[in-house]
Amino acid sequence: DTGVSQDPRHKITKRGQNVTFRCDPISEHNRLYWYRQTLGQGPEFLTYFQNEAQLEKSRLLSDRFSAERPKGSFSTLEIQRTEQGDSAMYLCASSLGGAPETQYFGPGTRLLVL
Amino acid sequence: AQSVTQLGSHVSVSEGALVLLRCNYSSSVPPYLFWYVQYPNQGLQLLLKYTSAATLVKGINGFEAEFKKSETSFHLTKPSAHMSDAAEYFCAVSAGGGATNKLIFGTGTLLAVQP
Repeated sequence: DTGVSQDPRHKITKRGQNVTFRCDPISEHNRLYWYRQTLGQGPEFLTYFQNEAQLEKSRLLSDRFSAERPKGSFSTLEIQRTEQGDSAMYLCASSLGGAPETQYFGPGTRLLVL
Repeated sequence: AQSVTQLGSHVSVSEGALVLLRCNYSSSVPPYLFWYVQYPNQGLQLLLKYTSAATLVKGINGFEAEFKKSETSFHLTKPSAHMSDAAEYFCAVSAGGGATNKLIFGTGTLLAVQP
């Protein structure tokens, strides 16, 4: 069990640029979540995949955000035309489901938009 | 809708003292409750979870939490604080049973442990 991995760990970009983050879940975990965490706040849900299907998106996920999980394995989160307000830690979590479901988090990608 | 409230954004204790971090929840259905810990520049690590099997839940690193339905609380405790406990702690609720078990987090409590 290698845990959830995320790449890159840090990203600095200029306003207006596009960025893409990758998440590799624990193998055989069919559920994958993306959360965003700003300074001084708890993580906020962005979107959820079960296998390759994106089943829920938060209202926080504007049209500039898109997420994919091709083949139900790794996932990518892309932000187009970044804004300074996008600066945050982006966390990925995976799980096997169940009740209750235990989500295992990756180390996160910290994004700074200048 | 589910929500959690963590009272006290900062808590400071002396090494060896009792740790008490407060969490109150709101849920329209029987909740699943979690405590996660986050060390600087790291992701979240699960400390413990409430599954309705027992109201007193024991977790890792000597932490435990008690589910009190009448008080809608799920406070986290540790009898004796250690310097390595200094971190941010998040309480979270998940409704469960639906299409998504997304977690709703509180705003966190930063625990400082003084020597």
